Amino acid sequence: DIQLTQSPSFLSASVGDRVTITCRASQGISSHLAWYQQKPGKAPNLLMYAASTLQSGVPSRFSGSGSGTEFTLTISSLQPEDFGTYYCQQLTSYPLTFGGGTKVEIK
Amino acid sequence: EVQLVQSAAEVQKPGESLKISCKGSGYSFGNYWIGWVRQMPGKGLEWMGIIYPGDSDTRYNPSFKGQVAISADKSISTAYLQWPSLKASDTAIYYCARRAISSEWFDFWGQGTLVTVSS
Repeated sequence: DIQLTQSPSFLSASVGDRVTITCRASQGISSHLAWYQQKPGKAPNLLMYAASTLQSGVPSRFSGSGSGTEFTLTISSLQPEDFGTYYCQQLTSYPLTFGGGTKVEIK
Repeated sequence: EVQLVQSAAEVQKPGESLKISCKGSGYSFGNYWIGWVRQMPGKGLEWMGIIYPGDSDTRYNPSFKGQVAISADKSISTAYLQWPSLKASDTAIYYCARRAISSEWFDFWGQGTLVTVSS
């Protein structure tokens, strides 16, 4: 199975901060990566696919980059509604594994 | 509007069987793969498997194969996740999700079904 390692596992930042989350794959996955946001008690919500394509309706302060084994999700200016846990998912080979998650707290 | 509506929370005893459901609406159910994702208490997401309701083609995560069964009935736009014999370790929230067309990511999710297994 392809392993995905996210870092950090937790971050606390202020409104307006630039926030970056990293996802590293155990083997190359080209740009076959998605990002999801999950708020407490809710289902995950797709933010990004193909590593850098924003899902319809997702604010443009979210951006993604990377290919191969290293990927980043960036929030250019953190907003109060951006709290939650963020997960990456590789889309290259079954089983389609998720990263362990990054919990984002608003200071 | 695309919607996936899952069945209500369940409380079961170890050894019992269970089938939970996921009903799709607002799109052509038979033409999109439906996946199942497990989230154990306080933990991350685990991809369990996926089914194409059009022909019931199914792929399993080897970690779950033999432990659960995924099925679908396209005539009523419903996918299922079934356990023949529950264990306490099956306690989790289970999400169904629609796979985007011609891709592998999940673009719409159900609200989740909490399954609690306790004697």
